[in-house]
Amino acid sequence: AQTVTQSQPEMSVQEAETVTLSCTYDTSESDYYLFWYKQPPSRQMILVIRQEAYKQQNATENRFSVNFQKAAKSFSLKISDSQLGDAAMYFCAYRSTGTASKLTFGTGTRLQVTL
Amino acid sequence: ETGVTQTPRHLVMGMTNKKSLKCEQHLGHNAMYWYKQSAKKPLELMFVYSLEERVENNSVPSRFSPECPNSSHLFLHLHTLQPEDSALYLCASSPDTTWETQYFGPGTRLLVL
Repeated sequence: AQTVTQSQPEMSVQEAETVTLSCTYDTSESDYYLFWYKQPPSRQMILVIRQEAYKQQNATENRFSVNFQKAAKSFSLKISDSQLGDAAMYFCAYRSTGTASKLTFGTGTRLQVTL
Repeated sequence: ETGVTQTPRHLVMGMTNKKSLKCEQHLGHNAMYWYKQSAKKPLELMFVYSLEERVENNSVPSRFSPECPNSSHLFLHLHTLQPEDSALYLCASSPDTTWETQYFGPGTRLLVL
């Protein structure tokens, strides 16, 4: 079974600085999807970024980028120029291409953004 | 984001009560999901519906009863719950069950006394 591990329960970053959130996963599959979801205090889980495992190029979405290391099974999220609105819980998630529908989530990292 | 809505946003119920959670998606999707989010635990997938048919039930106790009358609406009927069932219940949808990205609602915060 796949597992997703987020080893940082809480992180803090100053406004305008850069922060990296860690995620590792365990799988025996070669093709899959990885995600970072953001859950602000409003509780709505919002997709931040998505990576297909067969793509070597790291995904980027504006200030958000990932460092995908397939051999190491690592999928970290980098947030550049942090803003107060980035404060939220961040969840890493895995989805197999072979199994319909099942997303496996990590336990989350709470990100605080300070002035 | 109003593509997936959930009501109520908060619910307090006693162990002998019967209540229902409602989810509605306005995205034209064919797959809908219920997740349970407990403190300091990963999200747990509870049920999956595809075109109103239940395709997955992850060993959820029978005190949780899902219903999907059409592809836009999903209910979770609750009866004789336990205090450990207190959690955030999230609904999600996707175009179909093979689609890699799911779109979430804001959740219902449930407290069982």
